[in-house]
Amino acid sequence: DAKTTQPTSMDCAEGRAANLPCNHSTISGNEYVYWYRQIHSQGPQYIIHGLKNNETNEMASLIITEDRKSSTLILPHATLRDTAVYYCIVRESGGFKTIFGAGTRLFVKA
Amino acid sequence: GAVVSQHPSWVICKSGTSVKIECRSLDFQATTMFWYRQFPKQSLMLMATSNEGSKATYEQGVEKDKFLINHASLTLSTLTVTSAHPEDSSFYICSASGPSGNEQFFGPGTRLTVL
Repeated sequence: DAKTTQPTSMDCAEGRAANLPCNHSTISGNEYVYWYRQIHSQGPQYIIHGLKNNETNEMASLIITEDRKSSTLILPHATLRDTAVYYCIVRESGGFKTIFGAGTRLFVKA
Repeated sequence: GAVVSQHPSWVICKSGTSVKIECRSLDFQATTMFWYRQFPKQSLMLMATSNEGSKATYEQGVEKDKFLINHASLTLSTLTVTSAHPEDSSFYICSASGPSGNEQFFGPGTRLTVL
């Protein structure tokens, strides 16, 4: 079973920041938080991951709470092309299997 | 990032035939690859873990004799759907562990339609 809880869907206005929350209260010390997204009829796309520090890359920022029980993915300036299903996953390093939950369906509106 | 390809991108076949789907890591070696299935409006479901040079590990409820997995090299894993039936119609996606060991990269998926 997936170890994360995410809202089913969210809306965001184009150009605004999209903040996607994720709860992972049972995360263990050696598990990372990963975020992927899936645009319709495509394979999942890696966005970002972190262990306990906040992370930023060209796509997004990842904010992890100090107790690591929740995190937030931030898309700083959402565009229409960011409309997708976003999956928050906790997992040990890359060699371990990924169990997907239901994810959050993000709708970016003009 | 590392690139994973799948072939074919889509396939239509008759009921009772077998279909082979290839998953390749194009610019890195992957000792471990994963196969997923996704039905419309549902999330990805892990089917099996494929390890180079050894037998695949199947998730509970997945028939290993129906979904044959071969991982003969560090860049290629294949999934063969044997005696396909309409209920096997789905979107099949593979992934491979990246060179750093912390990332997994997903293929673009293969849409299988069984008539």
